[in-house]
Amino acid sequence: DIQMTQSPSSLSASVGDRVTITCRASQSISSYLNWYQQKPGKAPKVLIYAVSSLQSGVPSRFSGSGSGTDFTLTISSLQPEDFATYYCQQSYSTPITFGQGTRLEIK
Amino acid sequence: EVQLLESGGGLVQPGGSLRLSCAASGFTFSSSAMSWVRQAPEKGLEWVSTISASGDSTYYADSVKGRFTLSRDTSKNTLYLHMSSLRAEDTAVYYCAKAGGMQLWLWDYWGQGTLVTVSS
Repeated sequence: DIQMTQSPSSLSASVGDRVTITCRASQSISSYLNWYQQKPGKAPKVLIYAVSSLQSGVPSRFSGSGSGTDFTLTISSLQPEDFATYYCQQSYSTPITFGQGTRLEIK
Repeated sequence: EVQLLESGGGLVQPGGSLRLSCAASGFTFSSSAMSWVRQAPEKGLEWVSTISASGDSTYYADSVKGRFTLSRDTSKNTLYLHMSSLRAEDTAVYYCAKAGGMQLWLWDYWGQGTLVTVSS
């Protein structure tokens, strides 16, 4: 199984900050890396797919990069609605696996 | 508007069975692979199972293989997850999710979730 490890597990930041979340795969997953946002009590929502492609309707302050085993999600200027938990997910091979999540909290 | 509406969750005893349903609307159900993803209380996301658009192929996490069966009824635009031999560790919110485009495991729409509690 491919293990996905996110860092940090939690993060405190302020509105307007630039934030980066890292995701590392236990083996190469090429570009099969997606990012989801989940707010409390709600279903996840896809933000980024295939490392860096922005899902329709997602603000351009979200961006993704990386390849192989190391990937990042960047939020260029945090907005109040961005405080949530973020998950990376590999879609390279089954079993499909997620990172453990990064909780982004208001400082 | 794409809508996925899960139902069938509830309280079940260990060893029991349950069938979850996901009613789909707003898109061509027969053209989309579908999946279930679950989330145990205060935990992260766990992929459970996926069925191809045609229904010919199904995939399962090792944790549910042999106990869960995924199926779809195109005439009713409904996805089903038959769960048997349920264990306490199956307790979770179960989300139905639609695959985006041609990818089996990129989920662009999700339901609101249905809670399954396995307890005596």
